[in-house]
Amino acid sequence: SYVLTQPPSVSVAPGKTARITCGGNNIGSKSVHWYQQKPGQAPVLVIYYDSDRPSGIPERFSGSNSGNTATLTISRVEAGDEADYYCQVWDSSSDHQVFGGGTKLTVL
Amino acid sequence: EVQLVESGGGLVQPGGSLRLSCAASGFTFSSYWMSWVRQAPGKGLEWVANIKQDGSEKYYVDSVKGRFTISRDNAKNSLYLQMNSLRAEDTAVYYCASAAALTHFDYWGQGTLVTVSS
Repeated sequence: SYVLTQPPSVSVAPGKTARITCGGNNIGSKSVHWYQQKPGQAPVLVIYYDSDRPSGIPERFSGSNSGNTATLTISRVEAGDEADYYCQVWDSSSDHQVFGGGTKLTVL
Repeated sequence: EVQLVESGGGLVQPGGSLRLSCAASGFTFSSYWMSWVRQAPGKGLEWVANIKQDGSEKYYVDSVKGRFTISRDNAKNSLYLQMNSLRAEDTAVYYCASAAALTHFDYWGQGTLVTVSS
């Protein structure tokens, strides 16, 4: 089955740029989606189809996907961005949806 | 406003059964794929099952095949998950999620906790 690999944690100072990676075999050929989950809350879609933002998601959130790595970039990080972030793809070969293990973003 | 409200969680003994429900509102339920996603305590997200708009296609993660059944009632704007032969490793918060396309999850409910323990 398809595997997505994320770093367990990323730390960033307020106002700086955070980059969270999601690795997978030839992931650039798939569409990657990203979710933000704050403690005690349900996940929220923040990026879909690699780089599209749902309405209401700040422009500070962006995404890219190429080769074996997809990246969620959060510019001008704020304290309120502290959360767990998950990448996800649809694996058409197995008809399964796959999540990465999640990355805890800490704002210093 | 899109709302997904899960119910039916609780404490159940190993080998027991439970039926989860998800009431949907604020969107055209019958036009969306629907899914269940779970999260064990302190762990990451795990997709459980999908069901097509008309119920004609269903997909499951391997660990629940043969034990869980996803279903929907478009007349009632409701999604269900029948869980049989429950195991301790099924303990998790179960989220209902909508998917306009099969590829990703647009909206999520707040989740319902299922605890499998003797």
